[in-house]
Amino acid sequence: GAGVSQTPSNKVTEKGKYVELRCDPISGHTALYWYRQSLGQGPEFLIYFQGTGAADDSGLPNDRFFAVRPEGSVSTLKIQRTERGDSAVYLCASSTQVGGSDTQYFGPGTRLTVL
Amino acid sequence: KNQVEQSPQSLIILEGKNCTLQCNYTVSPFSNLRWYKQDTGRGPVSLTIMTFSENTKSNGRYTATLDADTKQSSLHITASQLSDSASYICVVSAHYGGSQGNLIFGKGTKLSVKP
Repeated sequence: GAGVSQTPSNKVTEKGKYVELRCDPISGHTALYWYRQSLGQGPEFLIYFQGTGAADDSGLPNDRFFAVRPEGSVSTLKIQRTERGDSAVYLCASSTQVGGSDTQYFGPGTRLTVL
Repeated sequence: KNQVEQSPQSLIILEGKNCTLQCNYTVSPFSNLRWYKQDTGRGPVSLTIMTFSENTKSNGRYTATLDADTKQSSLHITASQLSDSASYICVVSAHYGGSQGNLIFGKGTKLSVKP
């Protein structure tokens, strides 16, 4: 597969639980982005990585959200003490470089439901 | 405040007809404007990217226009097909030294093409 993949495709959890969402970017893409999309809304920026480092995490809503990309490829978005308001589709995208007119390639998303 | 507004919110057209979707933005300083197509349950797919100096760009039956003076963009779809049914999202990038936190997404226009 040459595209961005995300696992799981669906995740149902209970309020207060911890969840991890995984993103496998396109091979060789140095930039990786996480977005959150609520029903009927456009994606909302959360965080982006250039290589292994989080270059901009200003979109993370609070300290319950954290993301890592330890080897500069796969990234994991971690949500602690989930709340019902965290329910959304979490999208990951990757691109060859940051900024300019680079095209971001999106994965299919992980649909998170917090009961 | 940086904002991207799209109209109409939803649109129903008959197969074979043309349609035009609108995007108005108040993002500054402007870097580029993108149109994405998002099928239900899928991640967005890039259609066009336009910088300040470009006022039209085509991708098959999709033609995007940009008027940087009035801060308006449109996406024209010619000879619509059933597979064009999707949400179309306008995204404007502000130029802050490459920070990806300044991708501002519209809420999208939901297009339904009927036979």
